[in-house]
Amino acid sequence: EVQLVESGGGLVKPGGSLRLSCVASGFTFTSHNMNWVRQAPGRGLEWVASISTTSDYIYYTESVKGRFTISRDNAKNSLFLQMHTLRVEDTAIYYCARGFVVLPAVDYWGQGTLVSVSS
Amino acid sequence: DIQMTQSPSSLSASVGDRVTITCRASQFINTYLNWYQVKPGKAPKLLIYASSVSLRGVPSRFSGSGSGTDFTLTISTLQPEDFATYYCHQTYNTLWTFGQGTKVEVK
Repeated sequence: EVQLVESGGGLVKPGGSLRLSCVASGFTFTSHNMNWVRQAPGRGLEWVASISTTSDYIYYTESVKGRFTISRDNAKNSLFLQMHTLRVEDTAIYYCARGFVVLPAVDYWGQGTLVSVSS
Repeated sequence: DIQMTQSPSSLSASVGDRVTITCRASQFINTYLNWYQVKPGKAPKLLIYASSVSLRGVPSRFSGSGSGTDFTLTISTLQPEDFATYYCHQTYNTLWTFGQGTKVEVK
């Protein structure tokens, strides 16, 4: 069974930092691109970042460029999102999301971890 | 960025109804269009990819169509478990974007 378990969320002040982690199991981690997608309270889904299987290709949504860093450790089946200079508008549930191998899409999602940015 | 516009933002329907949700891209995206179902407190679920291909295990009442800039998700006969929010999602380029969502509510 595919499982994606996020951790690392919490309450942080504006300008602070957090590091999200996602541990994957139940599938061959090295065969899938991975992604972070977030959903702010009362809002829709927003793609945040993607990383290819060997970390050769990395992409970010414009609003997090220069502040967030996506990375992965294939030896530990883990995905990370380092977040710096957090803003109130970064408040959201952050989902770890597995890339679909057939075509660009997300075929499995974690349950999410809540990041709250507030003074 | 490619903007995705869904309509309607919400709709009220009854069990047994046929429901249609549309999604329009701000530029050509071929068939790089996916549909997800989201229920409160649950992880999103991929229903359809490449505009019209249903993921294995998705009930046949869900279907997708379209190419270029205009796309449709249809639920042929709405079931109680289908009340949820639906999102379209373009992956034509490396900067993915989602529609704003369509909430299907009980009439």
